[in-house]
Amino acid sequence: EAAVTQSPRSKVAVTGGKVTLSCHQTNNHDYMYWYRQDTGHGLRLIHYSYVADSTEKGDIPDGYKASRPSQENFSLILELASLSQTAVYFCASSGTGGNQDTQYFGPGTRLLVL
Amino acid sequence: GQQVQQSPTSLVLQEGENAELQCNFSTSLNSMQWFYQRPGGSLISVFYNPSGTKQSGRLTSTTVIKERRSSLHISSSQITDSGTYLCAPASSGSWQLIFGSGTQLTVMP
Repeated sequence: EAAVTQSPRSKVAVTGGKVTLSCHQTNNHDYMYWYRQDTGHGLRLIHYSYVADSTEKGDIPDGYKASRPSQENFSLILELASLSQTAVYFCASSGTGGNQDTQYFGPGTRLLVL
Repeated sequence: GQQVQQSPTSLVLQEGENAELQCNFSTSLNSMQWFYQRPGGSLISVFYNPSGTKQSGRLTSTTVIKERRSSLHISSSQITDSGTYLCAPASSGSWQLIFGSGTQLTVMP
C-alpha cells in the first residue's frame, strides 16, 4: 500500500514567522506535490517536483518555496507566514504525471497563522 | 480559466438509496480522477477513469470525454459512504489535475 506521511499534523504559527512542512513517501514515486485546501474548496497546486533536487511552480506558488532533497522527501517552506496562508496542506505522490496515474495523499497538515 | 463544476453541492440520502454525482469541465479533458475525503481527513483515490465506464463494488464511474463530463454512481448507499467526493480532471495537453469543490454526501440511517 502506498504511504505518504506528513509532519507536523498541525501547527500554529505567528505572522512573519518561518514554517516548514515536511512530506515523506515510501512509494518510490518520482512525482510529488503540495496542495492547499481552504474550507469548502477544492485543492490548489502550490509546487510539485518530478525529480530530486528540482521543483516546479504550480498555480499558486507566491509566498511558498519547495525543496526536494531526495526522491522520498519534499518540503514546503513559508518564509514569512501570513494570515492568508491558514489552510490545510496536503502532500501527494504519483509514479508518473498527475493525469496518468493515481495520486496518493498524505494525511494533511492543518496550519493556523495568527 | 479552467472551470470544474460539481453537482449537487450537497446531498442527503437515506441508507440504501442511490446517489448520482456529476462533474463537468469547461475545456477538453484527457483524464478524470475521483477522490473521497472524510471530514478533516485525507483524500483517497476512488477511480482513475480517463474514459468509459468503470465499476468497483457499489461504485460506478462514467467519463464521456467528448461531453467533458464524468459521473460517479453510488448504489445502495451506506452510512460509511458519507463524506466529500471530489472530481479532478486534467485538461488536454496538461498533466495537472484541477480539483472541483466537491459534493458533500450524508447518508442517514
